Amino acid sequence: AQSVAQPEDQVNVAEGNPLTVKCTYSVSGNPYLFWYVQYPNRGLQFLLKYITGDNLVKGSYGFEAEFNKSQTSFHLKKPSALVSDSALYFCAVRERERNTDKLIFGTGTRLQVFP
Amino acid sequence: KAGVTQTPRYLIKTRGQQVTLSCSPISGHRSVSWYQQTPGQGLQFLFEYFSETQRNKGNFPGRFSGRQFSNSRSEMNVSTLELGDSALYLCASSTGLAGGPGTGELFFGEGSRLTVL
Repeated sequence: AQSVAQPEDQVNVAEGNPLTVKCTYSVSGNPYLFWYVQYPNRGLQFLLKYITGDNLVKGSYGFEAEFNKSQTSFHLKKPSALVSDSALYFCAVRERERNTDKLIFGTGTRLQVFP
Repeated sequence: KAGVTQTPRYLIKTRGQQVTLSCSPISGHRSVSWYQQTPGQGLQFLFEYFSETQRNKGNFPGRFSGRQFSNSRSEMNVSTLELGDSALYLCASSTGLAGGPGTGELFFGEGSRLTVL
């Protein structure tokens, strides 16, 4: 079964500093990996995805993620954090055992950017 | 292009009642998925519908059911509500077509927050 793990419940970073939100995955075969962000009292918004190709994926709002097959990781990064980046971030993997768009989500990491 | 619309946004019910939540997907999207979000369990997959057929189902009791109409709009129903059903219920739509450029990318609504008293 596919799964993702987000080892940190919360990440704190000062505005202007680089940020990293960690995600590791466990899948059979080639993974379809995603990052979503959730602002308070809102639904989830798609940030980026890795399906194939370059290991560095660029997404919305200046975020990027690096796919590392040997470490089974897909960490989310941003060179310079903004206070407005403070939100809940979810890593997800697409279940591919059937023809479906089911995503398996991690437990989420709360990012707090301090001014 | 209008996004995913969920109604109602907030509702309060009492134990034993039932509730129906509605989701209108993005125009052209044929797949609708439902997720339950709680602080303790995170995001849990409920079910996915594609062209009016349930294509996948999560590990929830039979009190949780859903359906999809010919216009792709979807409803989910929870019967005999329990306190533990209090959650944010999120609907997501997608093209549902494997292998296409939008593969796996879900578009979420704002959610319906259910409180069971």
